[in-house]
Amino acid sequence: EDQVTQSPEALRLQEGESSSLNCSYTVSGLRGLFWYRQDPGKGPEFLFTLYSAGEEKEKERLKATLTKKESFLHITAPKPEDSATYLCARPNAGGTSYGKLTFGQGTILTVHP
Amino acid sequence: NAGVTQTPKFQVLKTGQSMTLQCAQDMNHNSMYWYRQDPGMGLRLIYYSASEGTTDKGEVPNGYNVSRLNKREFSLRLESAAPSQTSVYFCASSLQGNTEAFFGQGTRLTVV
Repeated sequence: EDQVTQSPEALRLQEGESSSLNCSYTVSGLRGLFWYRQDPGKGPEFLFTLYSAGEEKEKERLKATLTKKESFLHITAPKPEDSATYLCARPNAGGTSYGKLTFGQGTILTVHP
Repeated sequence: NAGVTQTPKFQVLKTGQSMTLQCAQDMNHNSMYWYRQDPGMGLRLIYYSASEGTTDKGEVPNGYNVSRLNKREFSLRLESAAPSQTSVYFCASSLQGNTEAFFGQGTRLTVV
């Protein structure tokens, strides 16, 4: 069964200091890759869907990219309001597991002013 | 546009009590999910419903039952609550099984 691993577990940045979050998975194959943002006490908020290697999606200061085995969430010139936990998830493969999402553990991003 | 609505938002139960967590979505989605989120454990799937009338076990189904009442509603029942079920529970829905899921705001459950 697919395993989804996110790194780093926590990331502390200064405002304006760009960086990247990683999401890797053990079973290759392009079934889609989803990124979410979660604020404390709230449910995960959907950010991006990526389906094809080489695909990129952007939203404000965030850009998500995808290869066959991993995805990156690039954060350009972050602001304190970008502080949150960022989660990635993959749908499982076929058979009885089809459609179930497997989540990574998340990266806790803190942006200091 | 409400999206995914969960009730209640907070609940305290005594060990052995039962309760039902309610979830409804207004996006005409086919698939619905129940997750629990615990510190250090991430989001873990409890049960999944691919479509109305079908349910399937996830990673941690023991101690829970579900009902897909209709296309909109998917409830989670704890028959005899245990302290190990103290957690934050999230309901989610997606158009179909391999598309992005949208989450409710969660139910914070404490079992004492």
